[in-house]
Amino acid sequence: GQNIDQPTEMTATEGAIVQINCTYQTSGFNGLFWYQQHAGEAPTFLSYNVLDGLEEKGRFSSFLSRSKGYSYLLLKELQMKDSASYLCAVTDSNYQLIWGAGTKLIIKP
Amino acid sequence: TAGITQAPTSQILAAGRSMTLRCTQDMRHNAMYWYRQDLGLGLRLIHYSNTAGTTGKGEVPDGYSVSRANTDDFPLTLASAVPSQTSVYFCASSEGQGNQPQHFGDGTRLSIL
Repeated sequence: GQNIDQPTEMTATEGAIVQINCTYQTSGFNGLFWYQQHAGEAPTFLSYNVLDGLEEKGRFSSFLSRSKGYSYLLLKELQMKDSASYLCAVTDSNYQLIWGAGTKLIIKP
Repeated sequence: TAGITQAPTSQILAAGRSMTLRCTQDMRHNAMYWYRQDLGLGLRLIHYSNTAGTTGKGEVPDGYSVSRANTDDFPLTLASAVPSQTSVYFCASSEGQGNQPQHFGDGTRLSIL
């Protein structure tokens, strides 16, 4: 079967750095997405990785290792507004998006 | 503002009744999707459409139907609602399928009693 694993919840301190991991087992791979979802709101696109390595976008970076079936989202200089759920999703061989259950990130002052 | 509009925002529905959730996008995206999101579970795909005139079944299609008469509209119909269909429903669109980011509507919160 197809599976995406992420931690259910993480806590971090304002101003710090946090890494949210995602591991996947899917039938084929055509890219990995990270989305942010604030409570009661819609998911919004953060990043896309299809090749191995690190993609940096401001305070957010996303890393992919296809051989390990592994990705992480790195958030630097955490702000209170970063409190949200972070969703990992993988495009499989049929170009269908398989979603993880999300990681709820709690930022404390 | 360009984007996806869903209606209604929320609804309480008696079991056995039918209901259509509306979704309209003005980005001229080819692909559209319907998801349900339940606590503790990831987004689950109900139905999708890669282009106007075509639809496909997702992971959890039973009890739902869709149509895609034109590029902009992608309504989701529950023919005879059951309590297990209580959920938050999101409509999304993308320029193409698979490796294009999806843009989401604000969701419809549906309670079946």
